[in-house]
Amino acid sequence: GDSVTQMEGPVTLSEEAFLTINCTYTATGYPSLFWYVQYPGEGLQLLLKATKADDKGSNKGFEATYRKETTSFHLEKGSVQVSDSAVYFCALSSNDYKLSFGAGTTVTVRA
Amino acid sequence: GAGVSQSPSNKVTEKGKDVELRCDPISGHTALYWYRQRLGQGLEFLIYFQGNSAPDKSGLPSDRFSAERTGESVSTLTIQRTQQEDSAVYLCASSLWGTTQETQYFGPGTRLLVL
Repeated sequence: GDSVTQMEGPVTLSEEAFLTINCTYTATGYPSLFWYVQYPGEGLQLLLKATKADDKGSNKGFEATYRKETTSFHLEKGSVQVSDSAVYFCALSSNDYKLSFGAGTTVTVRA
Repeated sequence: GAGVSQSPSNKVTEKGKDVELRCDPISGHTALYWYRQRLGQGLEFLIYFQGNSAPDKSGLPSDRFSAERTGESVSTLTIQRTQQEDSAVYLCASSLWGTTQETQYFGPGTRLLVL
């Protein structure tokens, strides 16, 4: 079955540091890949997505590239801010509509 | 426009009681999903509704769980004879058509605590 494995947290960074959260997947067919983010006290929201191999999703300074050869979709941001503190979830949607999520990575950015 | 709303936001119940959770999807969205998020874990799919098609109930963990949806609007998730392991955040999401490439829009969740 489909599954997502993402880097365990928690991750603590200083402001302006580089952030990478690793995500690898196992799926049948050709999945769409997503990063969702949950800010403190808020609901889950889409951060970015990529629907085919070599696509790059980007939003709010975050980027992730769909790598079919390594079955990966790592999330990166070059210079994090305190406001990026959140829980980040990697997810995929394969032959059907349901999302399969990773366990989530808690990121804390210190001023 | 309005997003996905859920009620109640928090629910504390005693073991063995029944609970009902409500979800109002985004207007016009034909697809509706329920997920469960246990503490420190990712989201688990529970059930999916799309238009008038038969729902996909493959994620429901036991026959104590059931869900209904009225047309393309409100959905209720019912948990009968609650157990402590049912304690979790229950999230509802909706999307326009229910395809694999679509963004799912999530509600704020209902935090359920079974004592």
